[in-house]
Amino acid sequence: DIVMTQSPDSLAVALGERATITCKSSQSILYSPTNKNYLAWYQQKAGQPPKLLIYWASTRESGVPDRFSGSGSGTDFTLTISSLQAEDVAVYYCQQFYINQPITFGQGTRLEIQ
Amino acid sequence: QVELVQSGGEVKKPGASVKVSCKTSGYTFTSYGVSWVRQAPGQGLEWLGWISGYSDETRYAQKFQDRVTVTTDTSTRTVYLEVRSLQSADTAVYYCVRDCGNCKLDYWGQGTLVTVSS
Repeated sequence: DIVMTQSPDSLAVALGERATITCKSSQSILYSPTNKNYLAWYQQKAGQPPKLLIYWASTRESGVPDRFSGSGSGTDFTLTISSLQAEDVAVYYCQQFYINQPITFGQGTRLEIQ
Repeated sequence: QVELVQSGGEVKKPGASVKVSCKTSGYTFTSYGVSWVRQAPGQGLEWLGWISGYSDETRYAQKFQDRVTVTTDTSTRTVYLEVRSLQSADTAVYYCVRDCGNCKLDYWGQGTLVTVSS
């Protein structure tokens, strides 16, 4: 199975500042025939199901604020929140959905206000 | 609007089985699959398996291959997850989620807490 490793495990950022979470896959999840990275990012607030933020590594889901952005390719990916808001306190997960591979998630990154 | 509504919480004894339902609405059922993901208390997300919305094709995480079955009732647009030989480590919230197949998990059910306790 493809192993997804996030860093850091937890992060404290001041309101209005930038928050950056990284995710590394144990093998490339860039599929050459489509030239797409099979990676998504989710936000999970306490007591709620996860919410899709980003897919194809950098495509923002409809309705997601533009302060959330995704980047990276191959094995190294980043989720950036450009200006942290109080409502962004949550646990964030990366997930790969590469062709003919079981879905796997990163261990999660807990984001708090500093 | 797209909705996935799951059945209520369950309490089971070790060795028993549980069957959780996920009723879907608001989209063309045959155009999407459904995955099941679980989350143990205070832990991360773990994918169990997937079923196609237009065929009987299923895929499972190897860890659950022998204990988990995902089925559908197309007439009622309902997807089912059965987990057998339950142990305390299976205590978790189980989520169904719409899966477009190698693209994204976009709409999630509210979750079903399954508690395994003697």
